Amino acid sequence: DTAVSQTPKYLVTQMGNDKSIKCEQNLGHDTMYWYKQDSKKFLKIMFSYNNKELIINETVPNRFSPKSPDKAHLNLHINSLELGDSAVYFCASSRRDQRTDTQYFGPGTRLTVL
Amino acid sequence: SQKIEQNSEALNIQEGKTATLTCNYTNYSPAYLQWYRQDPGRGPVFLLLIRENEKEKRKERLKVTFDTTLKQSLFHITASQPADSATYLCALATGRRALTFGSGTRLQVQP
Repeated sequence: DTAVSQTPKYLVTQMGNDKSIKCEQNLGHDTMYWYKQDSKKFLKIMFSYNNKELIINETVPNRFSPKSPDKAHLNLHINSLELGDSAVYFCASSRRDQRTDTQYFGPGTRLTVL
Repeated sequence: SQKIEQNSEALNIQEGKTATLTCNYTNYSPAYLQWYRQDPGRGPVFLLLIRENEKEKRKERLKVTFDTTLKQSLFHITASQPADSATYLCALATGRRALTFGSGTRLQVQP
């Protein structure tokens, strides 16, 4: 059973398009995250949701909009895609009551903007 | 500014030797530090957590040390195997209910 799943795994699109990435976790966790990993392999937090409430919103262009319909899902919608958005996007989840923020990551979505 | 630094160069070692990876940080006072493993094309996988009041933590062939005075953690893999080849990331708790990751060190174990 996949703990944290993301779709699609690969996404190739043209500049200016709008695209979404979906994430689901079946671990019963209450906190979910989106990270961006660039070509230099830095993994940077973008957003975090706890029980569907946004708790972290890093300095990310407002073209990126997360949506959490329920505790098990966190989607990422990106408007007007730019070349610099090309990266691997990882979804992750954790349990807040553990107080250690140990992250369980999805397999990643490789986004290529042409 | 806050920084987490890991050796950006790849670490190449022979099978059976001990691999030692370094994580240095500045301007943080983390309550704990975590190490993750990332294989190509996959998400990071949690390995070990060490708290600020712990000097050392072990799990099978893995050992982590945490020196809050030096602001450094060392990650050791003893009796290394080719299957240990991967990128290893350290991550700090920075008090915002999220982790801040280093850029990782790629380990290559030669048979």
